[in-house]
Amino acid sequence: NAGVTQTPKFRILKIGQSMTLQCTQDMNHNYMYWYRQDPGMGLKLIYYSVGAGITDKGEVPNGYNVSRSTTEDFPLRLELAAPSQTSVYFCASSIDGNYGYTFGSGTRLTVV
Amino acid sequence: TQLLEQSPQFLSIQEGENLTVYCNSSSVFSSLQWYRQEPGEGPVLLVTVVTGGEVKKLKRLTFQFGDARKDSSLHITAAQPGDTGLYLCAGERHNQGGKLIFGQGTELSVKP
Repeated sequence: NAGVTQTPKFRILKIGQSMTLQCTQDMNHNYMYWYRQDPGMGLKLIYYSVGAGITDKGEVPNGYNVSRSTTEDFPLRLELAAPSQTSVYFCASSIDGNYGYTFGSGTRLTVV
Repeated sequence: TQLLEQSPQFLSIQEGENLTVYCNSSSVFSSLQWYRQEPGEGPVLLVTVVTGGEVKKLKRLTFQFGDARKDSSLHITAAQPGDTGLYLCAGERHNQGGKLIFGQGTELSVKP
């Protein structure tokens, strides 16, 4: 099983550019999440979804958007990239938060 | 402010030593999870504890959930270089849609 697949692995964006980070899972999990990880800060929740067609904001949603049209896919959109969005982004899925997440391998994004 | 405080943030020890990592909060959690993350990869779930006072063992790793469900610890016996990595605790509060709150992480280095 592939688990959670994230693309791309690395990306450099110029200020003001847009991009979509892709996330796909093949475990039929209803719950999906986007986190960003900055050094010494742990992981901060950006957006999450409890099922297809349902999304909600996390702790740090500003500058991001998501959609969940299928159970498998949960893309994260950056509309106007800013240097503060330089980070490592992780997508995760779970059957239920109590039973743990399966994480993708991350996307390292640099905004210059 | 960090809802889950991990300590220490950095730990460098010799092979064979024992160590304990702490995860503390003033909030009550319905479950507490521990993850290990290697460079360039996503976090991988080690254990989930859900009952106050619960102790779980995974080979040389012992996890404990506090009686009041506000804190947890990870103890490693006879550390090995393969234990090197970033250890993250994460908690879920009641009725939060499976959302996890992460601690800042503990960077462990075990030298041969």
